[in-house]
Amino acid sequence: DGGITQSPKYLFRKEGQNVTLSCEQNLNHDAMYWYRQDPGQGLRLIYYSQIVNDFQKGDIAEGYSVSREKKESFPLTVTSAQKNPTAFYLCASSISPSYNEQFFGPGTRLTVL
Amino acid sequence: AQSVSQHNHHVILSEAASLELGCNYSYGGTVNLFWYVQYPGQHLQLLLKYFSGDPLVKGIKGFEAEFIKSKFSFNLRKPSVQWSDTAEYFCAVNAREGSSNTGKLIFGQGTTLQVKP
Repeated sequence: DGGITQSPKYLFRKEGQNVTLSCEQNLNHDAMYWYRQDPGQGLRLIYYSQIVNDFQKGDIAEGYSVSREKKESFPLTVTSAQKNPTAFYLCASSISPSYNEQFFGPGTRLTVL
Repeated sequence: AQSVSQHNHHVILSEAASLELGCNYSYGGTVNLFWYVQYPGQHLQLLLKYFSGDPLVKGIKGFEAEFIKSKFSFNLRKPSVQWSDTAEYFCAVNAREGSSNTGKLIFGQGTTLQVKP
């Protein structure tokens, strides 16, 4: 069954701790994306990767980091430098950057206490 | 900077009413356009898309959208809504810059649609 998985669904962390959100896809897609969703603000792009071992900053990359060591995996680390980390995080992928219909995972809701 | 604007933040309709959700974008070049829907508790999923050709595109579940290039708009329509259409709707734009395409999507703020039975 092909798709995008994100784990965990809910995540709680104490302020000042780094936390890594998982995103895995078995669609053989080249491109992967991380978005943050806040009420009334839509989705905002954090980081994206067009191909393995390469990634670029999106519109709100400060306080976040990513890696793309494998085609199927694109983990996002929310660092202690992110001033307002509590949000809903969505991972997406597309066949290639030029064919930009994106498929989304179920999301991870991160709450920093 | 490119931006996408959805004018209706919260829409409440009765079943069988007609729906039109507005979407405008700011970019003068070539664009790909999308409408995504997020039903309660479900993944964000694609409703319809426009890449080129006929500016009137049809999507799933009876939705359609019309690309009007001169107005920089891509409004979503449905002639008769159902209670099951209750969801959040997002317009998104991919702006093709030069010969390359990063695949980045810019999303609007979203519109929450509530359909009363």
